[in-house]
Amino acid sequence: AQSVSQHNHHVILSEAASLELGCNYSYGGTVNLFWYVQYPGQHLQLLLKYFSGDPLVKGIKGFEAEFIKSKFSFNLRKPSVQWSDTAEYFCAVIKLSNDYKLSFGAGTTVTVRA
Amino acid sequence: DARVTQTPRHKVTEMGQEVTMRCQPILGHNTVFWYRQTMMQGLELLAYFRNRAPLDDSGMPKDRFSAEMPDATLATLKIQPSEPRDSAVYFCASGPLSYEQYFGPGTRLTVT
Repeated sequence: AQSVSQHNHHVILSEAASLELGCNYSYGGTVNLFWYVQYPGQHLQLLLKYFSGDPLVKGIKGFEAEFIKSKFSFNLRKPSVQWSDTAEYFCAVIKLSNDYKLSFGAGTTVTVRA
Repeated sequence: DARVTQTPRHKVTEMGQEVTMRCQPILGHNTVFWYRQTMMQGLELLAYFRNRAPLDDSGMPKDRFSAEMPDATLATLKIQPSEPRDSAVYFCASGPLSYEQYFGPGTRLTVT
């Protein structure tokens, strides 16, 4: 069974600081990768996705992620965070077959201090 | 801007009562998912459907939970009887066959 690991449970940083959230998965086959964001009291929203092609993908709100196949990683980055980026961030993986199930990581809570 | 809708948004009920949650997926989406989110367990997949057919409900307690798609515009998740440990936020998500999933606003269930 595949699993998704997010390295940090809670990250606290100041506005304008850079953010990097780690995500590793254990499945050895071809995967589709996602980052979702959940703002306080809201539902999950798709930040970005990787299916194939350029391993550096850009998403909404200035976020980007890099797929490194050899490291089974899909880390999320933002060069300069804002207070409004305070949220929980989930990495998710789908095995690329006839299986549509998303496996989610445990989530990383990001708190940005003004 | 198409969205997944869920009703009710909040539900408070007493232990032993039946709870039915409804989801309207985005028109044209072929896959529908039910998730449960709690502080302790995080996001758990309960069930999912493709083209209205149930593909996997292994994440669901079978004795009390049931999920159905009576038509392409409605998915339901039913708990009977409900228990306090069922208190959680239940999310529905739908997606096209490109693996993306779009989440609804959730139903916050409290069982007392």
